[in-house]
Amino acid sequence: QKEVEQDPGPLSVPEGAIVSLNCTYSNSAFQYFMWYRQYSRKGPELLMYTYSSGNKEDGRFTAQVDKSSKYISLFIRDSQPSDSATYLCAMRENTGTASKLTFGTGTRLQVTL
Amino acid sequence: EAQVTQNPRYLITVTGKKLTVTCSQNMNHEYMSWYRQDPGLGLRQIYYSMNVEVTDKGDVPEGYKVSRKEKRNFPLILESPSPNQTSLYFCASSARGVTVLTFGAGSRLTVL
Repeated sequence: QKEVEQDPGPLSVPEGAIVSLNCTYSNSAFQYFMWYRQYSRKGPELLMYTYSSGNKEDGRFTAQVDKSSKYISLFIRDSQPSDSATYLCAMRENTGTASKLTFGTGTRLQVTL
Repeated sequence: EAQVTQNPRYLITVTGKKLTVTCSQNMNHEYMSWYRQDPGLGLRQIYYSMNVEVTDKGDVPEGYKVSRKEKRNFPLILESPSPNQTSLYFCASSARGVTVLTFGAGSRLTVL
C-alpha cells in the first residue's frame, strides 16, 4: 500500500466549476502538506503549503487538512482553462532530519470551455 | 531569474553507455534532490543532498550516482544505463531542508 493515495483522474469539468482534489495518507507523522501543479512538459510548481490541520486560502485556491481522517483536499473555485494540469499532493514529516517529500501520483484536471 | 536548470532535456541512449544529467541552481540553495517520475508511481526520490557535505540515498538509488562538489551543481550519473531507467527525471532544490522545492523542467531519458 502506498503511503499517499491520489485518484489519477482524469477529471473533466466545465469552466467556472468548483473542483475538489483529494489525497489520503497512512503515515501519521506527516505534518507538512503541499499541493504542486504540473503543466505538460514542465516541472511541478508549488501552489499551496500548510502545516498540520486546518484551512488555507490563496485566491481561488483553498487547501484543507484533516489529520484525524488522514485526508487533504484542494478546492479550486471558478475554474479556468488555464487550471488544466496535473495536481500533485506532497507531504513530509516534522523532523529536523526529514530528507524528502512523499508525493501522490497526481490527478489530471481538464477544464473545458 | 531564479531557477533550476537541467540538461539534457531529452536523451535517447543505449544500454551500458554512461551518461550524466546535469543540474544547476542559481538560488544559493542548500538542499538538492533528484526524483524520477513514472506513470502510476509518481515522483520517487533517487538521491538527495542536505548540503555540500551530506549526500545520501533516497527510495530508488540503484543504478545511479550523484556528486555534490559545489553548492550550485548536483549531477546525476548513470554508469551503465538499463531500459528500466527509462523515465522522466527532475532535479529540485530548496533553501534549507525539504520545505518548498523548486523543480527543474525535467529530463526525459530513454534507454534502448
